[in-house]
Amino acid sequence: NAGVTQTPKFRVLKTGQSMTLLCAQDMNHEYMYWYRQDPGMGLRLIHYSVGEGTTAKGEVPDGYNVSRLKKQNFLLGLESAAPSQTSVYFCATTDRGSSGANVLTFGAGSRLTVL
Amino acid sequence: GDSVTQMEGPVTLSEEAFLTINCTYTATGYPSLFWYVQYPGEGLQLLLKATKADDKGSNKGFEATYRKETTSFHLEKGSVQVSDSAVYFCALRGTRGNNRLAFGKGNQVVVIP
Repeated sequence: NAGVTQTPKFRVLKTGQSMTLLCAQDMNHEYMYWYRQDPGMGLRLIHYSVGEGTTAKGEVPDGYNVSRLKKQNFLLGLESAAPSQTSVYFCATTDRGSSGANVLTFGAGSRLTVL
Repeated sequence: GDSVTQMEGPVTLSEEAFLTINCTYTATGYPSLFWYVQYPGEGLQLLLKATKADDKGSNKGFEATYRKETTSFHLEKGSVQVSDSAVYFCALRGTRGNNRLAFGKGNQVVVIP
């Protein structure tokens, strides 16, 4: 049971290049999220999805696009990378539910450096 | 909007010392509260949670009590080990229906032998 798998784990880009981060989950979770983690900033939500075919903006969506064509996959795209997008990116998932106890399951992270 | 505030700065302490990390929150209604831990080179994982006022979450010797009157969820451990060295994040799930979590900035904890 792999849980949440992120690929690639590391990537170096030049300014202006594009790339896509893939998040794959095998837990049949409805909700998926992309966060970025920067020193002194904690985790900030970029985009999220509440189900297949849906996406929504989080706190810091500018410069990123996402797609959720299949329930198990959530893609994060950078169309024209900038040095400010150097960060560690985390994908997380959780179940749909009415209780307040839904817990996020995180991937191991993808470290992106933009030169 | 919903937000979480953690105490500033890293925490360095000796093995077997008492650990406290402060967390306060701002939210409407009755949010759920969480502590997540991130070990070096890994993603975050749930440490403990509490879903209503006066609940105490506990795991691996860590405890936190949901205090509605002071809007706090401080993390404590009576005797830390070197293996507890990690970054600790307080988080809040509000009462909106999208399961979004608001995270604090995190506290680096370093335990010295």
